[in-house]
Amino acid sequence: NAGVTQTPKFRILKIGQSMTLQCAQDMNHNYMYWYRQDPGMGLKLIYYSVGAGITDKGEVPNGYNVSRSTTEDFPLRLELAAPSQTSVYFCASSARGNTEAFFGQGTRLTVV
Amino acid sequence: AQSVSQHNHHVILSEAASLELGCNYSYGGTVNLFWYVQYPGQHLQLLLKYFSGDPLVKGIKGFEAEFIKSKFSFNLRKPSVQWSDTAEYFCAVNPNNAGNMLTFGGGTRLMVKP
Repeated sequence: NAGVTQTPKFRILKIGQSMTLQCAQDMNHNYMYWYRQDPGMGLKLIYYSVGAGITDKGEVPNGYNVSRSTTEDFPLRLELAAPSQTSVYFCASSARGNTEAFFGQGTRLTVV
Repeated sequence: AQSVSQHNHHVILSEAASLELGCNYSYGGTVNLFWYVQYPGQHLQLLLKYFSGDPLVKGIKGFEAEFIKSKFSFNLRKPSVQWSDTAEYFCAVNPNNAGNMLTFGGGTRLMVKP
């Protein structure tokens, strides 16, 4: 039972480059989320999805895009990387009607 | 806007000391409350949760938390910490009218000295 799987685990980007952070879950959860974690700031919600084809902005969506073409996958896209996007990114999922979230291992992204 | 405050950013304890980490939230309605733990280099894992009922909830690894509605608090406690409890602890709140959305506190980094 893999749970929530994120790839890659680490990545260094140059300013202006783009990349996609992958997230997949095998628990058939309707809800999926992307958070970023910065020291002392806790986790901030970037985007979330309540089901395939439905996405919405969270607290800090600027500079990111998402898509949800299947229940399992929820990729996060950075189009023009900026140093302010240096962070640890966590994907999570939860079942409808159950607010307990399950987290992936995280992706540590550095933009230089 | 709803917020979650964890007032202790860094805590250092010796093994066998008692632990209490504070968590306060600003939302006035019915809430679900969580404590997550993040061990070094790992992802967040659920320690315990409160939805309703007994305000004193027991979690894994000897942790417990008490929901005090009048104080908007959900403090985490452990009577005797171990070196293996070294981790970062996050309080999270979900208002009942916010779907499944969680709002996290800033985290408390706990170091337990052997």
